[in-house]
Amino acid sequence: AQSVSQHNHHVILSEAASLELGCNYSYGGTVNLFWYVQYPGQHLQLLLKYFSGDPLVKGIKGFEAEFIKSKFSFNLRKPSVQWSDTAEYFCAVNGKGGATNKLIFGTGTLLAVQP
Amino acid sequence: DAGVIQSPRHEVTEMGQEVTLRCKPISGHDYLFWYRQTMMRGLELLIYFNNNVPIDDSGMPEDRFSAKMPNASFSTLKIQPSEPRDSAVYFCATGKGTGGSSEAFFGQGTRLTVV
Repeated sequence: AQSVSQHNHHVILSEAASLELGCNYSYGGTVNLFWYVQYPGQHLQLLLKYFSGDPLVKGIKGFEAEFIKSKFSFNLRKPSVQWSDTAEYFCAVNGKGGATNKLIFGTGTLLAVQP
Repeated sequence: DAGVIQSPRHEVTEMGQEVTLRCKPISGHDYLFWYRQTMMRGLELLIYFNNNVPIDDSGMPEDRFSAKMPNASFSTLKIQPSEPRDSAVYFCATGKGTGGSSEAFFGQGTRLTVV
């Protein structure tokens, strides 16, 4: 079955702390991977994406994620978080090619950054 | 481009009433997704279309839910009759599926409250 698991449901950090959010997926075939961010009261916005090539992907606002194929993982990292990073973060996956392009999301991780 | 446009932004209705949510995709996008977001269940994929054709509606919770895409620039999600447990934020997202790789662009969502 296609699924995305995010192990951390709620993370609380102080400003300047480092962040790593876990994401594991189950999806037959070659995949594309995404991290989306949802700021309070807003819609989901793309943070970064992996389609192919370098497994270390850099996104906006200093975020990066590493695709480790052998572990079916795509963890999100940021070396130093800011209060403005308080948001909910969603990992997502879809498949390459074919007629289907089902985009599956994880349950999300709520990040609260304390000033 | 104005992005994905959803209407209404907020809807409050009484149990038993019919509710219709609307979505205008980004021009040129051939995939359209309907998601439901709740605190308990996170972000659930209800149904998605490719070139106006429903591809997978396995996420539609009950027969009370139906979705249509009569043309490339309009989709509706209808709930009839509505129930309090349908209260959620409903997001429409669209993407361009060229080569099977597509990130999704989200609308602002419709916050539905059924009383």
